[in-house]
Amino acid sequence: RKEVEQDPGPFNVPEGATVAFNCTYSNSASQSFFWYRQDCRKEPKLLMSVYSSGNEDGRFTAQLNRASQYISLLIRDSKLSDSATYLCVVRGGGGSYIPTFGRGTSLIVHP
Amino acid sequence: NAGVTQTPKFQVLKTGQSMTLQCAQDMNHNSMYWYRQDPGMGLRLIYYSASEGTTDKGEVPNGYNVSRLNKREFSLRLESAAPSQTSVYFCASINGITRLNTEAFFGQGTRLTVV
Repeated sequence: RKEVEQDPGPFNVPEGATVAFNCTYSNSASQSFFWYRQDCRKEPKLLMSVYSSGNEDGRFTAQLNRASQYISLLIRDSKLSDSATYLCVVRGGGGSYIPTFGRGTSLIVHP
Repeated sequence: NAGVTQTPKFQVLKTGQSMTLQCAQDMNHNSMYWYRQDPGMGLRLIYYSASEGTTDKGEVPNGYNVSRLNKREFSLRLESAAPSQTSVYFCASINGITRLNTEAFFGQGTRLTVV
């Protein structure tokens, strides 16, 4: 079982829609959680960290559920420019500090 | 600010040839990483260097070697390229491997094709 699992999608949504992605992780001792965004043929870039209490950045909301070992990303009022692949990243746990990446979820926002 | 710089951006190799991918960061980060990204597989760790002078294997190290030349530079070498090494390679750096809330910065990637 891969350490970090994501639904690859693609999620195909119209502009203005609300869309949510989940990501599950297998290591219960994991300590830090992130969402990265990767545009086609580009490098990943940090979208937001995920805090235990949940956090929001404009149209983006991230949540962490430690009991069920998943994190989520909610995008409200989707824009065409939100089309990208969203990577779930987990660090820490069991002495490992290496960032572990999920395979990514593809989002396509259409007019 | 340059951040993380990778060279080359594109490369075509013949099976059996060797090459070195270069990575340099100007952010004074301690830890550096090499990942490969294949369709449907996500980013997989090849090697990492927690600090200058140390290197360790990641998930898929076979066929690769690395050198942490100094704090800024971390190179990845393919001694005898194989078609299975066709991939996009990303170098990343993080400020302190044990500081778990810090961001990973990536280079622009190297698109390698082995024919």
